[in-house]
Amino acid sequence: DADVTQTPRNRITKTGKRIMLECSQTKGHDRMYWYRQDPGLGLQLIYYSFDVKDINKGEISDGYSVSRQAQAKFSLSLESAIPNQTALYFCATSQVGQETQYFGPGTRLLVL
Amino acid sequence: GQQLNQSPQSMFIQEGEDVSMNCTSSSIFNTWLWYKQDPGEGPVLLIALYKAGELTSNGRLTAQFGITRKDSFLNISASIPSDVGIYFCAGQGSGGSNYKLTFGKGTLLTVNP
Repeated sequence: DADVTQTPRNRITKTGKRIMLECSQTKGHDRMYWYRQDPGLGLQLIYYSFDVKDINKGEISDGYSVSRQAQAKFSLSLESAIPNQTALYFCATSQVGQETQYFGPGTRLLVL
Repeated sequence: GQQLNQSPQSMFIQEGEDVSMNCTSSSIFNTWLWYKQDPGEGPVLLIALYKAGELTSNGRLTAQFGITRKDSFLNISASIPSDVGIYFCAGQGSGGSNYKLTFGKGTLLTVNP
């Protein structure tokens, strides 16, 4: 079984709709991250969480919000989706004191 | 903020050839990581480097942490078709933001059988 799972894997939505992307992990890691990937731009950090009570903005947080429901769950919401939020979204986890981040399989989002 | 320059952006090679890619930064990094992303999947860690000058191998892959701590390279020897994908470097800087990884924009590798 995958250690970091993301749902859905693919999503098509319309401009103005609210959507939520979910991430779950069985690695027991405290730290979780949400990234966005656009072609040619690498990975950009949206939000990160060091534990359930700690949420921090990343480089490109505008238009996004997150919720850390439990140590194992970190969800990303687009309150009112817009077309330029069409991208690949990745969740990642890491353990305290270790730099390596482990990525989920990604969610491909298309906003029409 | 910290930025990584990864090159080349893309490579088209024949099966069996060796490949080299690198990342440079204007800032010092404490850790360098190399990831590979297969089509439709998330990045997977290939090699982690923790000390300046460190040279580490993982099968046909070899990576080095530059002496200046501002660069790293990844070599792939005797490429095979399954090496196709996007390769990312990532660095973790010094200072208070020790959680944060800065990613390069990736090198797209195509291997012709």
